[in-house]
Amino acid sequence: AQKITQTQPGMFVQEKEAVTLDCTYDTSDQSYGLFWYKQPSSGEMIFLIYQGSYDEQNATEGRYSLNFQKARKSANLVISASQLGDSAMYFCAMVRWDSSYKLIFGSGTRLLVRP
Amino acid sequence: DVKVTQSSRYLVKRTGEKVFLECVQDMDHENMFWYRQDPGLGLRLIYFSYDVKMKEKGDIPEGYSVSREKKERFSLILESASTNQTSMYLCASSYLTGGDPYEQYFGPGTRLTVT
Repeated sequence: AQKITQTQPGMFVQEKEAVTLDCTYDTSDQSYGLFWYKQPSSGEMIFLIYQGSYDEQNATEGRYSLNFQKARKSANLVISASQLGDSAMYFCAMVRWDSSYKLIFGSGTRLLVRP
Repeated sequence: DVKVTQSSRYLVKRTGEKVFLECVQDMDHENMFWYRQDPGLGLRLIYFSYDVKMKEKGDIPEGYSVSREKKERFSLILESASTNQTSMYLCASSYLTGGDPYEQYFGPGTRLTVT
């Protein structure tokens, strides 16, 4: 069975510093995708970044990068130069590559950026 | 811009009531999903639909049913609401063909309280 594990329920980071949010996954599939979503206090889920299992380069989107270590089955999110607006819940997710493209989510990490 | 709307942001219902949660998307997406979000558990898939009148059970379908009579609308139904269904409900949609199928677009969520 596929599973996503986020072991950090909550984290603090100082404004302008970098922070790493951990995510490990378990799957027997060879082809899969990994995501990070951000959920601010307003509740909507915001797509941040995607990494395919066959992508050789780590994904980057602006201040977000995904540290993908396939052998260790980890897909950590790195946020550089943290901003106050980065305070939110962050969810790691994995897609099932069948016809439905269902997502499996981790339990989330709450990040608080201190001024 | 993709827009996914949900009929209510907050809802309070009594035990035993029949509850309808509505979701509408405006991007002609084939896939639509209903998730439930609880603290410490992340998002869990209740039901999804990949076409009109088509539905498949997710990981926690018990106590729920769904309806998709039109492509843009996906309804979640609690036949007889119970207190353990108090939760945040999130709707999402994505392409099956014609776009990136893995990126799900989420609605703002409905916080349901069953008393």
